[in-house]
Amino acid sequence: AQSVTQPDIHITVSEGASLELRCNYSYGATPYLFWYVQSPGQGLQLLLKYFSGDTLVQGIKGFEAEFKRSQSSFNLRKPSVHWSDAAEYFCAVGAHMIYNQGGKLIFGQGTELSVKP
Amino acid sequence: SAVISQKPSRDICQRGTSLTIQCQVDSQVTMMFWYRQQPGQSLTLIATANQGSEATYESGFVIDKFPISRPNLTFSTLTVSNLSPEDSSIYLCSVEDARDRFPYEQYFGPGTRLTVT
Repeated sequence: AQSVTQPDIHITVSEGASLELRCNYSYGATPYLFWYVQSPGQGLQLLLKYFSGDTLVQGIKGFEAEFKRSQSSFNLRKPSVHWSDAAEYFCAVGAHMIYNQGGKLIFGQGTELSVKP
Repeated sequence: SAVISQKPSRDICQRGTSLTIQCQVDSQVTMMFWYRQQPGQSLTLIATANQGSEATYESGFVIDKFPISRPNLTFSTLTVSNLSPEDSSIYLCSVEDARDRFPYEQYFGPGTRLTVT
């Protein structure tokens, strides 16, 4: 069965420091991978997604993620964190996705990011 | 991108009663999804609602407890029946926008925060 694991429940980084949030997935075929952010009082917003092609994916707000098939990972990175990045981050895998028809998402447990001044 | 609204934004209900949550989308979409986010937890898919067909429920969720209607391509309702304190959660609807590049992003509503007393 498809699953997503985010090993870090909570991470604290200093403003201006680099960030890496880990995500490991379990999926039998080509995974469709997503990172979403949920800010306090806000809805979920897509940061980036991966299906195929270049394994380094650029997203919004300066985020990027790298797909590593050999490690079943899709880690999210940002070179310099801003205080406004404090939020909950969710990795998700698309399950039973049919090309050009879509499908459901399975979410990881989430990683809460705190940013120190 | 699709814009989603949900009503109500929050509610406090007594155990044994029911709450119906409305989800309205500003464009026609084929697939709509209902998620539950329990306090401090990740998102769990309740069901997938396609217009013109019965909703497809995930393991652990049943139609008697979570009846769903999907009368047209822009609207859906989720009812949480026979409420108990364990139903206290945020309920979110989401849609896929097939105008996006595959794999399709899911756009989420702002959520309905339900508290059962």
